[in-house]
Amino acid sequence: KAGVTQTPRYLIKTRGQQVTLSCSPISGHRSVSWYQQTPGQGLQFLFEYFSETQRNKGNFPGRFSGRQFSNSRSEMNVSTLELGDSALYLCASSPGLTSGSADTQYFGPGTRLTVL
Amino acid sequence: AQSVAQPEDQVNVAEGNPLTVKCTYSVSGNPYLFWYVQYPNRGLQFLLKYITGDNLVKGSYGFEAEFNKSQTSFHLKKPSALVSDSALYFCAVRDGKLIFGTGTRLQVFP
Repeated sequence: KAGVTQTPRYLIKTRGQQVTLSCSPISGHRSVSWYQQTPGQGLQFLFEYFSETQRNKGNFPGRFSGRQFSNSRSEMNVSTLELGDSALYLCASSPGLTSGSADTQYFGPGTRLTVL
Repeated sequence: AQSVAQPEDQVNVAEGNPLTVKCTYSVSGNPYLFWYVQYPNRGLQFLLKYITGDNLVKGSYGFEAEFNKSQTSFHLKKPSALVSDSALYFCAVRDGKLIFGTGTRLQVFP
């Protein structure tokens, strides 16, 4: 099976702009989660989508949003970019049969966002 | 709240020697514990997980981890390190979402 894919791999934006990142999960996986990785804060959970519904949400401002489509592909959007949004954004997919289950999350290669 | 801690920022080991990357956890209920590895400019690769059952879990690339309930630890081990094992290692606990430790950089020297 093909792994999790993320596009684009690299992005450069300026403050105040908005950005949309895309994630295609492993075939058959219905849960998609997003994480932000920065040197200062480490890996932090953004949100999880399952069957087109947000199932879990981390502690990020409303500028961060996401959605999931009927084919399980997911997008996340960041509006009014700030310098501190520069990070590696990772998407992970899992079968997601139940929230809180022990199924494994498989990660994509990430999108490196740089905000100037 | 669920959490994991990785007490070492970096671990150095010579090639061929055994390696251990430490992780301790704090959870209520049964822990679902994971190890991931990250190579430069790459995402996270799943190595292994503990759900229940045997305390010694075997994973990918010759890695294994020992779950110790009394010490609340889940240390990652490998009997013989390779230079190619040099990477950033993350311990995590699953609480719906994954909650990660701060990571340990493993350097294996030839």
